[in-house]
Amino acid sequence: DTGVSQNPRHKITKRGQNVTFRCDPISEHNRLYWYRQTLGQGPEFLTYFQNEAQLEKSRLLSDRFSAERPKGSFSTLEIQRTEQGDSAMYLCASSLGLAGVAKNIQYFGAGTRLSVL
Amino acid sequence: DQQVKQNSPSLSVQEGRISILNCDYTNSMFDYFLWYKKYPAEGPTFLISISSIKDKNEDGRFTVFLNKSAKHLSLHIVPSQPGDSAVYFCAASDIQSGYALNFGKGTSLLVTP
Repeated sequence: DTGVSQNPRHKITKRGQNVTFRCDPISEHNRLYWYRQTLGQGPEFLTYFQNEAQLEKSRLLSDRFSAERPKGSFSTLEIQRTEQGDSAMYLCASSLGLAGVAKNIQYFGAGTRLSVL
Repeated sequence: DQQVKQNSPSLSVQEGRISILNCDYTNSMFDYFLWYKKYPAEGPTFLISISSIKDKNEDGRFTVFLNKSAKHLSLHIVPSQPGDSAVYFCAASDIQSGYALNFGKGTSLLVTP
């Protein structure tokens, strides 16, 4: 399977704990995006990487959130001191990111569902 | 503020008929629009896209129409099949934000036999 892979699929944690999610993009894709989706809403953009560089962050990405993409391959999203409001589906997507809009179709993973108790 | 709006939370269509899903946007900088389909417990799946320089794009049973002056796009599915039952998300993006997607809230389509 050469699609976008996210782990774990589900995470249950207690309020105040730290959690980390991993995303493995499609291998030849140089752009990687993180989104968050809550019930009844569409996905909301959090941040994106071009290779290893984090180029944009949404105002939704509070100081408790940090994302990395070492060596421009897989990415991790960490949430420190989790709050109940962090409960959501966290989606990762990747794209080729080359010139020409057709190259910027984003392909999504199945997501990590976070439940903060 | 919601820059992409899907005002119909749900739509029910009979098998074989046309499904029309609508989407409105407010940001005139958006230059690339996409439709995604989502089944429960799965990530969104890309369906079809359109650039702002076009007004129509067709792929099999799926056609997307773009009316830039009205800031409106629609997805037509003809003929509708029961397997098309899913949540459909409209998304818009622009080069300035690295094509980060702005999604609507989705429309749940049910195609009945």
